[in-house]
Amino acid sequence: EAGVAQSPRYKIIEKRQSVAFWCNPISGHATLYWYQQILGQGPKLLIQFQNNGVVDDSQLPKDRFSAERLKGVDSTLKIQPAKLEDSAVYLCASSITGTGREQYFGPGTRLTVT
Amino acid sequence: GENVEQHPSTLSVQEGDSAVIKCTYSDSASNYFPWYKQELGKRPQLIIDIRSNVGEKKDQRIAVTLNKTAKHFSLHITETQPEDSAVYFCAARGGNKLTFGTGTQLKVEL
Repeated sequence: EAGVAQSPRYKIIEKRQSVAFWCNPISGHATLYWYQQILGQGPKLLIQFQNNGVVDDSQLPKDRFSAERLKGVDSTLKIQPAKLEDSAVYLCASSITGTGREQYFGPGTRLTVT
Repeated sequence: GENVEQHPSTLSVQEGDSAVIKCTYSDSASNYFPWYKQELGKRPQLIIDIRSNVGEKKDQRIAVTLNKTAKHFSLHITETQPEDSAVYFCAARGGNKLTFGTGTQLKVEL
């Protein structure tokens, strides 16, 4: 089966600019996650969707980050405006359900904010 | 919320030796504990997981043990090989959220 797809793979922007990331989960996976992985750290959950509804966004900086999953399939994550500390790899993952089943990660988008 | 601590942060072993990575968690309600391997520049990949109703699970050269009372779990890799060199992350699931540890950089030396 095809894996989780993400684009772009790399993005360099200046601070205060905006950026958007796209994720296409594995077909049939109801749960989609966005993680932020800062260099040298473990992934940190930003937001979790179950179909097109938000399950958890407690660690999403809502003043600058937004995410949507219209139609319960693809998802976009947006940062506006970006800060230097947003430099990280943004990983999208999906699972069949949210209840302890394996999460499959995409290749990630490496964001550099200068 | 859940807090996961992982030790050591770096681990260097000789090829053929065993490697052990330990994690502790804070939420006694956590019931699912996966381990991920992440090679440089690549995505995390699940290598083994364990649920709270099981104390130990083994898959070829890797094994995971869970002590619910002490709230800690460990990854054991036997007969290490150079291709085992990577960053390993433990995680714990409380509710719907997976919380990751800070990672262990494992280096297997020839």
